[in-house]
Amino acid sequence: DIQMTQSPSTLSASVGDRVTITCRASQSISSWLAWYQQKPGKAPKLLIYKASSLETGVPSRFSGSGSGTEFTLTISSLQPDDFATYYCQQYNSYPLTFGQGTKVEIK
Amino acid sequence: EVQLVESGGGLVQPGRSLRLSCAASGFTFDDYAMHWVRQAPGKGLEWVSGISWNSGSIGYADSVKGRFTISRDNAKNSLYLQMNSLRAEDTALYYCAKDKGKRSGGSCYVYWGQGTLVTVSS
Repeated sequence: DIQMTQSPSTLSASVGDRVTITCRASQSISSWLAWYQQKPGKAPKLLIYKASSLETGVPSRFSGSGSGTEFTLTISSLQPDDFATYYCQQYNSYPLTFGQGTKVEIK
Repeated sequence: EVQLVESGGGLVQPGRSLRLSCAASGFTFDDYAMHWVRQAPGKGLEWVSGISWNSGSIGYADSVKGRFTISRDNAKNSLYLQMNSLRAEDTALYYCAKDKGKRSGGSCYVYWGQGTLVTVSS
């Protein structure tokens, strides 16, 4: 099974900061990686698919990069609405797997 | 408008069974793979199982393999999860999710249901 490891687990940042979250796969997943944002009590929201494609309606301050085993999600200028938990997910092969999550908190 | 509505959750004793359902509408159901994803209270997301558009490809997380069975009825626009031999660690909010890609084996999810809560406890 492919293990997904996110870092950091928690991130404290201020509005306007540039934020980067990393996701590493235990083996190559090509570009079959998605990023989600989840807020308390809500279903996850897809931000990025195929490692770097921005989902329709998602602000352009979100971007994704990487391929193979190392990926990053970058928020170019953190906004108040962005404080949430972020998850990566590989969909290269079954069983599909998520990272453990990164909580972005207000500094 | 895409809608996914889960049902069937509840309180169940360890070792017993439960069947979850997901009623889909607003899209051509038999064109898309479907998945179950769960989230234990205060914990992260865990993919549980997925089924391709034609039921030809099915996958399970190791944690549920041999105990859970996913199925779909394309005529009824419905997805199911039969959960047997339930354990305390199966306690979670179970989401139904629609594959982003048409007729793909399994990908990521734009659309999610609101979830149905399963609590396994004596």
